Amino acid sequence: AQSVTQLDSHVSVSEGTPVLLRCNYSSSYSPSLFWYVQHPNKGLQLLLKYTSAATLVKGINGFEAEFKKSETSFHLTKPSAHMSDAAEYFCVVSESGGYNKLIFGAGTRLAVHP
Amino acid sequence: KAGVTQTPRYLIKTRGQQVTLSCSPISGHRSVSWYQQTPGQGLQFLFEYFSETQRNKGNFPGRFSGRQFSNSRSEMNVSTLELGDSALYLCASSLRGASYNSPLHFGNGTRLTVT
Repeated sequence: AQSVTQLDSHVSVSEGTPVLLRCNYSSSYSPSLFWYVQHPNKGLQLLLKYTSAATLVKGINGFEAEFKKSETSFHLTKPSAHMSDAAEYFCVVSESGGYNKLIFGAGTRLAVHP
Repeated sequence: KAGVTQTPRYLIKTRGQQVTLSCSPISGHRSVSWYQQTPGQGLQFLFEYFSETQRNKGNFPGRFSGRQFSNSRSEMNVSTLELGDSALYLCASSLRGASYNSPLHFGNGTRLTVT
């Protein structure tokens, strides 16, 4: 069965410094992996998605993630944090078969300080 | 293109009542999924509909039900409400279902408060 673990529940950075949000997954199959962001009182917005075409995935707003099969990781990074990046971030794995439910991590709340 | 629309945005109900939430997917999307988000349990999958058929179901009691209409709009119903049903209910649509080539697009949710 698939599962996903977000290693940090809270991350705090200063504006202009790099962001690293960590995610490990467990999957018996070649997984579909995503990062979603949720701003307060809003739904979830897709940041990026992993396809088997490339291990380094670029998303919106300057975010990217690297798929590392040997480490079963899919960490999210951004070179320089902006105040508007403050939100909750979810690492997500899709069950095999393409039609099934998403398994969400517990979320990482990112705080960005001036 | 309009996004996923959920109505109403906020609901307050009393224990024992029932409630119906509505979701209009992105035009052309045939799959609609529902998720419950609470501080304690996080995001949990409720069910998914595709072309009016329930294709997958999460681990929720039978009080939670849904349906999808021919225009892909979906409704979710919760009967005999309990305090623990207080949550943000999110609807998501996709072309074919949750996969890398058919990612989910979420609405802003309906916040249900049960008193």
